[in-house]
Formats: sequence, C-alpha cells, structure tokens
Amino acid sequence: DTEVTQTPKHLVMGMTNKKSLKCEQHMGHRAMYWYKQKAKKPPELMFVYSYEKLSINESVPSRFSPECPNSSLLNLHLHALQPEDSALYLCASSQEGRGQGIAGELFFGEGSRLTVL
Amino acid sequence: KQEVTQIPAALSVPEGENLVLNCSFTDSAIYNLQWFRQDPGKGLTSLLLIQSSQREQTSGRLNASLDKSSGRSTLYIAASQPGDSATYLCAVKGYSGAGSYQLTFGKGTKLSVIP
Repeated sequence: DTEVTQTPKHLVMGMTNKKSLKCEQHMGHRAMYWYKQKAKKPPELMFVYSYEKLSINESVPSRFSPECPNSSLLNLHLHALQPEDSALYLCASSQEGRGQGIAGELFFGEGSRLTVL
Repeated sequence: KQEVTQIPAALSVPEGENLVLNCSFTDSAIYNLQWFRQDPGKGLTSLLLIQSSQREQTSGRLNASLDKSSGRSTLYIAASQPGDSATYLCAVKGYSGAGSYQLTFGKGTKLSVIP
C-alpha cells in the first residue's frame, strides 16, 4: 500500500470559519509534509513533521496550524483564512532514517482543493 | 539555496515520438532526485527516484539519469502516448537539519502528446 489519503477532496469556507484538512498513511513513514500549490506553480513546502515532531515551519501564517496526533495522521487546522489562501493543499510522506542518511521517496496524496470566500 | 530549473517549460510532440525532459540544480549536495507527474487538479504521482549514488533508473518506457557533479538530470520517455500528457516535475532532496529532509521543486514541463 503506497497510498496517502486526504480528506476532504474539496472544501469551501468563509473567512470566519474553522475547518481542518486530514491526511493519513499506513506505510510506516515517519516524515509527513504539508505543501501548498497554486495554479500553474510547483508545490511550496509549509510544514514537516519528523517522528511526530514539527521540524520545519516555512514561515507559515498562524492561521494555519498543523497537528500530528500519531505517526499515521497529519492534520492542518484552518482559521480566519483569506481568499488568497485558496489553493490545492497536498500532504506527503516518506521514510527517513533518523541519523542514517536514508533519503526516502516522497508519496503524495491527491490533495484537498480549498476555496476561501 | 538550492534552485531547480526545468527546460523546456512546455513541449508538444506527436504520438510515438521519443522525448527528453531536462532538469538542472545548483547545489550538488543532494540525497536523491525524484521525477513526478501531475495531471490537472490532481496530486503528484512519483515516477522515478534516483539516489545520489545512482546514475539512472528505469520504469517501463521511462528512463531517468542523474549526473550529480554537473547538476543535471534527464527524463527520457520512449514512444510517447496521449496518456503521457501531464506536467512533469523534477525535485531534489537535501538535508534541512533536525532530522528533516526537504524537496526543492522545479517549475515543471507541461507535456502535450498529440494523437
């Protein structure tokens, strides 16, 4: 099973709403990622979790709040978003060996298409 | 800071042609290089992964090469088909510290295969 599952596939929310995006993988990967992708652009890294700890936060506004409840799940909590936050949000996972220099293949989900009104 | 460039930005070929997509990167201290395919509005599908110690990888009609010292990779697609039409992204992985690795993406090559 090389699948990363993201829900919901589509989300429309107002600027005052609170919603969450969810991501799940059962490949035993210990690194999980959130990326944001605007139309006709490459994905931009937002957050990296390594062994359930936040290891990279690419200066993302606090209206985006990541959470990694366990090694299989990754959430992205959304609050008070702006219309310019509308994008495709991609989750990915990889198997990284702690301190071993093993650089694993990244597997992406199908994404959650977010529209902020 | 790592920069990844993909040339050409767009490519249109008749069905059956062999084609080459190019990727270059500025920092040779990479752990691996990965080629992805993305269909419109969809996620990224991993095509090939080349570790830094490898020179090439093959999967079906796809062959990817890596020359780490010169900072180049190519993706060769043999006997192209209309179903190959998609955007192809190249990404290199480097170490970001704190046990984390980070992918740097190129802007992609949009491929159209004409029946």
